[in-house]
Amino acid sequence: DIQMTQSPSTLSASVGDRVTFTCRASQSISTWVAWYQQKPGKAPKLLIFKASTLESGVPSRFSGGGSGTHFTLTISSLQPDDVATYYCQQYNTVSPYTFGQGTKVEI
Amino acid sequence: EVQLVESGGGLVQPGGSLRLSCAASGFTFSDYWMHWVRQAPGKGLVWVSRIKSDGSSAIYADSVKGRFTISRDNAKNTLYLQMNSLRAEDTAVYYCARDHNGFVWGQGTLVTVSS
Repeated sequence: DIQMTQSPSTLSASVGDRVTFTCRASQSISTWVAWYQQKPGKAPKLLIFKASTLESGVPSRFSGGGSGTHFTLTISSLQPDDVATYYCQQYNTVSPYTFGQGTKVEI
Repeated sequence: EVQLVESGGGLVQPGGSLRLSCAASGFTFSDYWMHWVRQAPGKGLVWVSRIKSDGSSAIYADSVKGRFTISRDNAKNTLYLQMNSLRAEDTAVYYCARDHNGFVWGQGTLVTVSS
């Protein structure tokens, strides 16, 4: 199975900061990565697919990058509404569709 | 607008069974692969199972293989998860999700396995 490892586990930053967190795959997965935002008590929300394609309606301060085994999610100017946990997911293989363990963003 | 509405969760004793449903609307259900994903209290997301658009093929996480069965009724726009031999570690919010360049999620239904 492909493992997805996110870092850091928790990130504390200030409003307006540029923040970047990473996701590493245990083997190459091209650009088959999605990123999700999950707020407490809510379902996850799709932010980015195919590593760097912004989902419709998602603010442009979010961006994704990377390929192969190293992927990043960047928030260009952190906003209070961005407090959440962020998960990466690989969907390169048929089984299983593994998630990273999450990065919790605090202000 | 895409809508996925899960139901069927609740409290069940260890060894018991439960069937979850996911009612889909706002898109052509029969065109999409569908998944179940779960999240234990305070923990991360764990993929559970996937079924192809025509129901011809299903796959499972090792942790539920042989105990859970995913199915769908394209005429009713509904996805199912039959859960048997439930264990305490199956306690989680269960989400259904549509697969297309990432997942679109329902709101989830809570399953609690406890005596």
